[in-house]
Amino acid sequence: AQTVTQSQPEMSVQEAETVTLSCTYDTSESDYYLFWYKQPPSRQMILVIRQEAYKQQNATENRFSVNFQKAAKSFSLKISDSQLGDAAMYFCAYRVDYGGSQGNLIFGKGTKLSVKP
Amino acid sequence: ETGVTQTPRHLVMGMTNKKSLKCEQHLGHNAMYWYKQSAKKPLELMFVYNFKEQTENNSVPSRFSPECPNSSHLFLHLHTLQPEDSALYLCASSHTPGLAGGTKQFFGPGTRLTVL
Repeated sequence: AQTVTQSQPEMSVQEAETVTLSCTYDTSESDYYLFWYKQPPSRQMILVIRQEAYKQQNATENRFSVNFQKAAKSFSLKISDSQLGDAAMYFCAYRVDYGGSQGNLIFGKGTKLSVKP
Repeated sequence: ETGVTQTPRHLVMGMTNKKSLKCEQHLGHNAMYWYKQSAKKPLELMFVYNFKEQTENNSVPSRFSPECPNSSHLFLHLHTLQPEDSALYLCASSHTPGLAGGTKQFFGPGTRLTVL
């Protein structure tokens, strides 16, 4: 079974500092997609960053970057220069597509990130 | 209006009530999804619609009844719910799901449901 594990229920970072959120997953597939979603208090899920498993280069989006270790099945999110607006729940998600059809997203339980001024 | 909208944002209902949740997307997508988010549990996929046809039902109890009249609208009809059904219900949409190109899902703000 495919599972996504986020081992840190809560994390805290000082404003302007860097924080890394952990995510591991279990799969027997070789080609899949990994995502980090942010859910602020407004409850809307916002896509932060996406990684295709076949790409060796780690994805980056401005202050957000990932450390994708395929062999270790690890997909951590690094937030640099943390801002107060980064405070939110962060969800790691996994998806595999079969036969040209889009699969379903499988989510971890989330990590609550607090940013201290 | 742009993006994915959901109404109502908050709903309180008794176990004998019948209510409906509405989701609307203005992104030109062909796939829409219902998710359930309970406290301290991973996000759970409930239903998937592709081109108005239901393609996924993840063992959801029949007291939840989805309806997709067109690619822009998705409803979740609720009847005889249980207190454990209290949760945040999120709607999402994406481009044509038949294309395995890593299409992104865009989420609505959710409906906070409380069943008394």
